[in-house]
Amino acid sequence: EPEVTQTPSHQVTQMGQEVILRCVPISNHLYFYWYRQILGQKVEFLVSFYNNEISEKSEIFDDQFSVERPDGSNFTLKIRSTKLEDSAMYFCASSLAESTDTQYFGPGTRLTVL
Amino acid sequence: DQQVKQNSPSLSVQEGRISILNCDYTNSMFDYFLWYKKYPAEGPTFLISISSIKDKNEDGRFTVFLNKSAKHLSLHIVPSQPGDSAVYFCAASAYENSGNTPLVFGKGTRLSVIA
Repeated sequence: EPEVTQTPSHQVTQMGQEVILRCVPISNHLYFYWYRQILGQKVEFLVSFYNNEISEKSEIFDDQFSVERPDGSNFTLKIRSTKLEDSAMYFCASSLAESTDTQYFGPGTRLTVL
Repeated sequence: DQQVKQNSPSLSVQEGRISILNCDYTNSMFDYFLWYKKYPAEGPTFLISISSIKDKNEDGRFTVFLNKSAKHLSLHIVPSQPGDSAVYFCAASAYENSGNTPLVFGKGTRLSVIA
């Protein structure tokens, strides 16, 4: 069964450094998402991406964040200058149609900012 | 701003019994609701959904009930199995002219099914 993959599984970085989290969505999906879950808190929507542009973003997704689909398979989330409060699990998801279609989640990347 | 609330952080149920997970929402514009299951070290997995035009949706051992007037939904698992032990997230979305809003998740309920 096709699945969403994410790399790395765990990323440790120093505050102020840039990180890039990578995702490979399911190949025929058209909508891509990033969510995050701070330890002990709920899963929060960050951004959705369709047709090579951001379709929605939350208040969390400020100028420090950017997304890109550099080729036909990868979908990346970049945090330009990480802060301590960026430490969280970051989940990528994809769906064939928009958000009410079943979203398939990747296993997540645990980001630890020191 | 908790638009989707899961007030029970955890629930323990005996194997074979019914598990009932509850979810309340405050945004009356929500019209599509989903349940996701999450095992440790994995991403959330879609379980079952319901749209606001229905009050019940059933898929095997899983049934979701929606009470729009009470802004409440519940997930019933019967019979519960040890493999159902996971964190269950309720999520909701609303339809707007520009399309569906992003999913809003609750904090999750950790279900433990005891053999």
